[in-house]
Amino acid sequence: SYDLTQSPSVSVSPGQTAAITCSGDKLGDKYVCWYRQKAGQSPVMIIYQDNKRPSGIPERFSGSNSGNTATLTISGTQPMDEADYYCQTWDSTTAVFGGGTRLAVL
Amino acid sequence: EVQLVESGGGLVQPGGSLRLSCEASGFTFSTNWMHWVRQAPGKGLVWVSLIDADGTGTRYADSVKGRFSISRDNAKNTLFLQMNSLRAEDTAVYYCVKVNHQLYYFDYWGQGALVTVSS
Repeated sequence: SYDLTQSPSVSVSPGQTAAITCSGDKLGDKYVCWYRQKAGQSPVMIIYQDNKRPSGIPERFSGSNSGNTATLTISGTQPMDEADYYCQTWDSTTAVFGGGTRLAVL
Repeated sequence: EVQLVESGGGLVQPGGSLRLSCEASGFTFSTNWMHWVRQAPGKGLVWVSLIDADGTGTRYADSVKGRFSISRDNAKNTLFLQMNSLRAEDTAVYYCVKVNHQLYYFDYWGQGALVTVSS
């Protein structure tokens, strides 16, 4: 089975740039999505196909994917960005999620 | 507006059974693949199962294979997850999820149904 690995937590100061990584074997050959989950809420997709933002997601969210690592970058991080972030890809038709990264804005 | 509303969660003893339902609205249910994703308390998202648009194709995570069964009633716009031989480790919030099959992402999630397996 295919595995995705994320760091459990990342801390950033308000206004700074946060980078959340997701690693997997030859991940750059697959599409990666990112989901944000705030406490007590259902996940929301914020990046799809590695680097595309759906409407309504601020420009400060961006994504990249190359080699074995995908990265979610949040520029000008705001306190409202505190949440759990999950990467996700596909192994054939089944979905694979990373373990999630808790972003703290301190 | 797309809505996915799960029901059927609750407390069940180990070895017991439970059936989750997910009522869909706001989109053409019969042409969309659907998934179940679960999240144990304080843990991450884990994919559970999928079903194709007409219900003839299904897939399961190894952890639930042989115990869970996914199905759908396209006439009633409803997705199901039959869960048998439940274990403590199946305790989780179960999300009904619609997938955008062209762009390869989960675009709509239900609010989740809590299943607690405990004696």
